[in-house]
Amino acid sequence: QQQVKQSPQSLIVQKGGISIINCAYENTAFDYFPWYQQFPGKGPALLIAIRPDVSEKKEGRFTISFNKSAKQFSLHIMDSQPGDSATYFCAASMEQGRVDKIIFGKGTRLHILP
Amino acid sequence: DVKVTQSSRYLVKRTGEKVFLECVQDMDHENMFWYRQDPGLGLRLIYFSYDVKMKEKGDIPEGYSVSREKKERFSLILESASTNQTSMYLCASSLGTGEISYEQYFGPGTRLTVT
Repeated sequence: QQQVKQSPQSLIVQKGGISIINCAYENTAFDYFPWYQQFPGKGPALLIAIRPDVSEKKEGRFTISFNKSAKQFSLHIMDSQPGDSATYFCAASMEQGRVDKIIFGKGTRLHILP
Repeated sequence: DVKVTQSSRYLVKRTGEKVFLECVQDMDHENMFWYRQDPGLGLRLIYFSYDVKMKEKGDIPEGYSVSREKKERFSLILESASTNQTSMYLCASSLGTGEISYEQYFGPGTRLTVT
């Protein structure tokens, strides 16, 4: 119930194409769904996030689509660029006691071909 | 900008050694976290702390302990290192309560090898 399932494990996309990463969750108590981006040798950094009362959020070339009834959400990267090559983690969070715990998916290694 | 620093980028230790990983954040954040990252397993929470001297177990606390004597500093301790603790260790911090408290800021990680 605490898991966040992420697919695919790895993804190769041509420059200019659309990259799509999908995630699913079970626990309806989650109330915040962030995506983190990690470059080699760096820690993850928040990319974009959404709350379940919104079906879509767009920031530049990055869009989260959220389907509350299906308990699924996805990240779309439009016009993918080589600089987007990184590992992406979807996550789900809720307040537990005094702390906001985040449950991470297992990650997707994205490679954009130049 | 929030800065989370970790004492070492790379560390090599022998089986049975006591290992200390240090993490410092400079934004007066209430919450601090230790994760380990392994290929194909994502990030798994080891321990977290919501206040000085307060700590709670995460999902995989076995073989680890933590210490938070000052608000800005959170240490991860491997009492007796074992080869299955070879991993990337990531420290993170978050603000605390309120709307923007969910965002966690990560350090660059410490790659620990236990031989």
